[in-house]
Amino acid sequence: DAGITQSPRHKVTETGTPVTLRCHQTENHRYMYWYRQDPGHGLRLIHYSYGVKDTDKGEVSDGYSVSRSKTEDFLLTLESATSSQTSVYFCAISGRDSNQPQHFGDGTRLSIL
Amino acid sequence: DQQVKQNSPSLSVQEGRISILNCDYTNSMFDYFLWYKKYPAEGPTFLISISSIKDKNEDGRFTVFLNKSAKHLSLHIVPSQPGDSAVYFCAAKGGTSYGKLTFGQGTILTVHP
Repeated sequence: DAGITQSPRHKVTETGTPVTLRCHQTENHRYMYWYRQDPGHGLRLIHYSYGVKDTDKGEVSDGYSVSRSKTEDFLLTLESATSSQTSVYFCAISGRDSNQPQHFGDGTRLSIL
Repeated sequence: DQQVKQNSPSLSVQEGRISILNCDYTNSMFDYFLWYKKYPAEGPTFLISISSIKDKNEDGRFTVFLNKSAKHLSLHIVPSQPGDSAVYFCAAKGGTSYGKLTFGQGTILTVHP
């Protein structure tokens, strides 16, 4: 298994609160990604990173921000959570070039009440 | 605008038979295609991939076919086993996109003993 750890694995919170999800990798891979999975949509890219402090928006980035201060950690923040952000969030990494397959963590199930 | 589509939400097959999962795409810039398998409460696992310069790639029981003119790819599993029961996602990427993947909605495969 690729060394990817997501934390927390489950979280329940209230609308309007800030939430931060963490992705930690031990593979020293350059590329890291955050996706959300929702029924009928597959996985959709939220944000991605191509190096330390280098990040960009994906398909569904509104309401989310990210930070990558170290190669191994990629944080996803919901500044003010809304019920529409209830989802399962997956982190992925890929190797030294972007043509290698991405490998995924086991996900964080986030419920916003 | 769904650039990658899996039009069959589910597929049921008998153990030992062939499973064929289909995927269509619209973006002609896509040049690399992947299949992932996902079990409940786990992250997607990379299964097999194909570059646009090929029309077939095999790995054991799994074969992926690519028809570029039709913008269609398929995954064949022969013979199917009960342990293959999972959600299957096709994904695509193209050009200098930092490895960003666009996913289909997924197909739930059930293999009956």
